[in-house]
Amino acid sequence: NAGVTQTPKFRVLKTGQSMTLLCAQDMNHEYMYWYRQDPGMGLRLIHYSVGEGTTAKGEVPDGYNVSRLKKQNFLLGLESAAPSQTSVYFCASRPTGRAYGYTFGSGTRLTVV
Amino acid sequence: TQLLEQSPQFLSIQEGENLTVYCNSSSVFSSLQWYRQEPGEGPVLLVTVVTGGEVKKLKRLTFQFGDARKDSSLHITAAQPGDTGLYLCAGADAGAGSYQLTFGKGTKLSVIP
Repeated sequence: NAGVTQTPKFRVLKTGQSMTLLCAQDMNHEYMYWYRQDPGMGLRLIHYSVGEGTTAKGEVPDGYNVSRLKKQNFLLGLESAAPSQTSVYFCASRPTGRAYGYTFGSGTRLTVV
Repeated sequence: TQLLEQSPQFLSIQEGENLTVYCNSSSVFSSLQWYRQEPGEGPVLLVTVVTGGEVKKLKRLTFQFGDARKDSSLHITAAQPGDTGLYLCAGADAGAGSYQLTFGKGTKLSVIP
């Protein structure tokens, strides 16, 4: 089925470890986004990309890096995980044009101990 | 930073009742979207409204965009247990160029059979 695929679905990290979350979309969307969702905080934008090879910071970028080497993939990296990064991470994509909505992945639940 | 306030934060009703959820801001949005999120899944787009005063219907759900494009409402008629979920509104600031969405924190709806 077409859509946004996130891997892994669950992960437990120790403080200081690093990891990469992968997002892949097969809808040829230009825009891609990484959000985190925390209780009481809603969805907060971490980084986003408006096209292959481009990235930009969102509302809460500290401690994260991203890359978009291919149009269909958007990677989110945690260089040195901290307990404050325990969250559910969602990737989303959308085509250009203001009337189009986001297609979200099913999320990655990350716990940092 | 644009903010979207959703109310109520929580809503628990009996099957068959009607309800309205509100999304308010002091900012003007070029379009506004509503999503529903079920536990363990990503948000799923329900509707996009782009014109001030616009009303859209999706079966038992009615969405309205305020005349000034600063607020929106979602009305559900004869709620059913399948309507249970987290409802999120999101506004698009076309001026940002990246079509970022600002999300409200959501209304958690429980429909009791």
